[in-house]
Parts: sequence; structure tokens; C-alpha cells
Amino acid sequence: EVQLLESGGGLVQPGGSLRLSCAASGFTFSRYAMSWVRQAPGKGLEWVSLIGGSGTGTDYADSVKGRFTMSRDNSKNTLYLQMDSLRAGDTAVYYCAKDRCSATSCFFDSWGQGILVTVSS
Amino acid sequence: EVVLTQSPATLSLSPGERATLSCRASQSVSTYLAWYQQRPGQAPRLLIYDASNRATGVPARFSGSGSGTDFTLTINSLEPEDFAVYFCQQRSVWPPSFGGGTKVEIK
Repeated sequence: EVQLLESGGGLVQPGGSLRLSCAASGFTFSRYAMSWVRQAPGKGLEWVSLIGGSGTGTDYADSVKGRFTMSRDNSKNTLYLQMDSLRAGDTAVYYCAKDRCSATSCFFDSWGQGILVTVSS
Repeated sequence: EVVLTQSPATLSLSPGERATLSCRASQSVSTYLAWYQQRPGQAPRLLIYDASNRATGVPARFSGSGSGTDFTLTINSLEPEDFAVYFCQQRSVWPPSFGGGTKVEIK
């Protein structure tokens, strides 16, 4: 059974930093791309970033580009999101999500339970 | 960026009724569309991928259809656990984007 467990959230002041982790189990971690998706309180879902299975390719939403850095340690089956220069608008529940690709497209087939990040003074 | 518009925002129905949810894309996404269910306080769960394929373990009362810019998620005979928020999502055009969601609530 796929399990994804986020940690590292909490309250941080504007301009501060936080690092999220996502511990994965139940699948061959290095074979799958992974994403972070966030959800502001009472709002919809927003894709944040993606990293390839080997860790060499990453991409980011424009809203976080230059401030967030996604990485992974395949030896530890763990995903990371380093968040710097945080703003109030980054307040959200952050989910890590596992990629799966059919013959034609990719989608998020497993999600963690989410971790809350609150940016406030 | 592809904008996905979901309608209605809220659907009020009774258990046993049929729910029809719409997702419209601002440009063609072929059949590269997924649907997710999010129950209160829970993470999203994949229901449908490639517009019409049910994910593993998803009951047969859930079905998806459509292509190009217009998509539909149908839930036949609503069960109590189906009252939730549903999101569509595309990855045909980068970056991935989600619709704003449709809340299916008990009437």
C-alpha cells in the first residue's frame, strides 16, 4: 500500500523559511516523479512543483519560482520542499502526490494527508 | 495556462439521485483530464483518469466522459460517502491546473 507522510509544517513569519518532508513507502520511490500540491484554506488545489524520479529535473509554478526548491533523496525514500521568502499567500495545506502515467497522460494517483503551513506575523 | 471551469459550484441532491458535474477547459486538453474526490478534512483521491478510466477501487457508479474542452463526471445513485468536493485537473498543457471544484451536498 502506498503511503505518503508529510512533516515539517507550522507557523512561520513572513520572509521566513521552512522545509517540508514527505516520507514515502509501499512503492519503488525512485521510479516515480513526485509533486507538491497546495490548498489555501477553503480554496481549491494549486500545483506547486514536480521532480523527476532521478531527481535531476524539476519545475515550479510561477507563484513559487525562485523561492521554493524541491529535491529528493531516493536512498531515504523522502521528498523535500525548501520554502524561502515565505509570504502570507503561501499559507496552505501542502500535499505531496505521487505521479502515475498511463499510455497517454500523467496524473496524481496517491496523496499524502497534507501538512499545514501558516505564514503570519 | 489552461483554465478549468467547473459547474455548478454547488450541487444539492438527495441520496440515490444522480449527480452530473461539468468541467470546461479554456483550450483543448484532448482526453488528458482527471477527476478527484475530496471529503472534508481528507486528501484528494483519484477517481477518473484519461477522462473516462476509473482508478483502482473506484465504484462503478462513478463515470467520466468528454474530450477536447468539455467533460462530465457522473455519479449514479449517490451514496452518503459521495457527498464531497470534486475537482477536475489537466496535464495536457504545462503547467498542470485544477478546476475550482464542485461541492456535492445533501439536500
